Amino acid sequence: QKEVEQNSGPLSVPEGAIASLNCTYSDRGSQSFFWYRQYSGKSPELIMFIYSNGDKEDGRFTAQLNKASQYVSLLIRDSQPSDSATYLCAVNTGRRALTFGSGTRLQVQP
Amino acid sequence: DVKVTQSSRYLVKRTGEKVFLECVQDMDHENMFWYRQDPGLGLRLIYFSYDVKMKEKGDIPEGYSVSREKKERFSLILESASTNQTSMYLCASGRGGTQYFGPGTRLLVL
Repeated sequence: QKEVEQNSGPLSVPEGAIASLNCTYSDRGSQSFFWYRQYSGKSPELIMFIYSNGDKEDGRFTAQLNKASQYVSLLIRDSQPSDSATYLCAVNTGRRALTFGSGTRLQVQP
Repeated sequence: DVKVTQSSRYLVKRTGEKVFLECVQDMDHENMFWYRQDPGLGLRLIYFSYDVKMKEKGDIPEGYSVSREKKERFSLILESASTNQTSMYLCASGRGGTQYFGPGTRLLVL
């Protein structure tokens, strides 16, 4: 079992819809959770992080964490074509480095 | 703005050559990382460093070594390049789970 799992997609949503990206992790000791966005041909960039159970909102983005279910998600409201990218979930299990999932490719259709 | 630079964007080497990839960051970060990214496999950690001359193996260190003689510089060395090391190599620096990535080096080993 991979430590951090994501559906590779592509996840296709129409413009203006809510995109829901999901991630599960195997290490119950995981402490913090990150979402990175990677445009095609570019490097990943951090868009959100979450440490506590519940929701964390930042503009059109909401990160949700459920430690009991070992599940973290990213919601993108009012999706735009410019949101089309690969979204990487990353988990900090207590060591200094992150463990990344393989990413979900999101396509927002105009 | 945080800046992470990598010595080359594209590199072509022959099997058996020694390859040096260099990364420089300008934000005084203690932590620096080397990843490789392959389709379907996501970002995989090769090595990271949490201080000058300190290093720790990541998930796939075989065939690689690293050097960190100065805080701002972290080098990845392929002692004897092989075709299965053809990949995109990404360097990052940061604190906690916040990592800033360089533009990447696409390495082709023939």
